[in-house]
Amino acid sequence: GAGVSQSPSNKVTEKGKDVELRCDPISGHTALYWYRQSLGQGLEFLIYFQGNSAPDKSGLPSDRFSAERTGGSVSTLTIQRTQQEDSAVYLCASSSDRPGQPQHFGDGTRLSIL
Amino acid sequence: KQEVTQIPAALSVPEGENLVLNCSFTDSAIYNLQWFRQDPGKGLTSLLLIQSSQREQTSGRLNASLDKSSGRSTLYIAASQPGDSATYLCAVVWDSNYQLIWGAGTKLIIKP
Repeated sequence: GAGVSQSPSNKVTEKGKDVELRCDPISGHTALYWYRQSLGQGLEFLIYFQGNSAPDKSGLPSDRFSAERTGGSVSTLTIQRTQQEDSAVYLCASSSDRPGQPQHFGDGTRLSIL
Repeated sequence: KQEVTQIPAALSVPEGENLVLNCSFTDSAIYNLQWFRQDPGKGLTSLLLIQSSQREQTSGRLNASLDKSSGRSTLYIAASQPGDSATYLCAVVWDSNYQLIWGAGTKLIIKP
């Protein structure tokens, strides 16, 4: 498809398990972002990838969170030893490398930790 | 601290009315400002993006304005329709990594 694709759309898992969330950006977009949308917290930035540069991880809430981007395209956000407060919608966005271009979002992964 | 505020948190108006949604931000040195729409259980749809050098952008019945000096942006919706019902989010880019800093959103209900 032409848009940002995220999978799975929904994930329910038990506390303490690890989860992987996937994002497939728009073809040709070099910038990729992960955000989290929590009840009562709104939207918050997690991590930013731009081309082959080192990612900006300043928004990751703890060392249980990590992300990688392979081949400058698909990205995986991994949460280890999940906690109930990790329950949220995780949104991925991509944009072209030209400064100031709009970010285009996927439909998100709704993560529920039991 | 760089913050984005949206007031009101919720708004309900009859169909056909013109309306304005407000967004304010604390630091005028922005790169750009983007308005999004979010439907329940869905992702975010980009509506309009205003660069720091621009004063407004228009798309169909939507018009977004930007006044950096006062730290404000407005989203004007003309001739509102029930299909416009959604949460509208304002987000600002300040840093060179282009991360979006978000307002809490305005939940808009258009009554038929």
